[in-house]
Amino acid sequence: NAGVTQTPKFQVLKTGQSMTLQCAQDMNHNSMYWYRQDPGMGLRLIYYSASEGTTDKGEVPNGYNVSRLNKREFSLRLESAAPSQTSVYFCASSEKPGSSYEQYFGPGTRLTVT
Amino acid sequence: KNQVEQSPQSLIILEGKNCTLQCNYTVSPFSNLRWYKQDTGRGPVSLTIMTFSENTKSNGRYTATLDADTKQSSLHITASQLSDSASYICVVSLTGGGNKLTFGTGTQLKVEL
Repeated sequence: NAGVTQTPKFQVLKTGQSMTLQCAQDMNHNSMYWYRQDPGMGLRLIYYSASEGTTDKGEVPNGYNVSRLNKREFSLRLESAAPSQTSVYFCASSEKPGSSYEQYFGPGTRLTVT
Repeated sequence: KNQVEQSPQSLIILEGKNCTLQCNYTVSPFSNLRWYKQDTGRGPVSLTIMTFSENTKSNGRYTATLDADTKQSSLHITASQLSDSASYICVVSLTGGGNKLTFGTGTQLKVEL
């Protein structure tokens, strides 16, 4: 059982380039999330999808877009990468939305923007 | 501002010893508190989740306690193992906060021989 998978594991971009981070879960979860983790800071929510067909902004959405492709997949797009977006990105999923449901995290994507 | 603060920032202990990690939060109104373990280069993995009415919860050698009155939680690790070396993150959620979780910055634990 793979759980939550993310691709790629590592990526280096130049300022202004675009890319899409992919996330998939095989637990039949309704809700999916994108976080970023920076040194000295707690994880921060970028966007989430409470259910298939819906997306909402989190705490730090500027510079990002998301697509809930289907129930399994939730992608995060950087249209024009900036050095401030250098971070480790985690995708997570939960059975349903709401804080009482456990969130399961993927292994992360380490992104460097030069 | 809702915050979660953890102490110590880092800790080194010898294998077999016990240790306790602290978490203080100002999140209000409080729904639940979680402890996650994050190995280097991996995503966080849940250890425990407690609602405000629970005082303690165990998961093997990990025991979390919660005092909702003082807004403090602790994670006690018994008989530490080398594999316990990781970052331990305290996470608090708001009542009615939807999907809003507030993450602490973590305590980096290293277990040595």
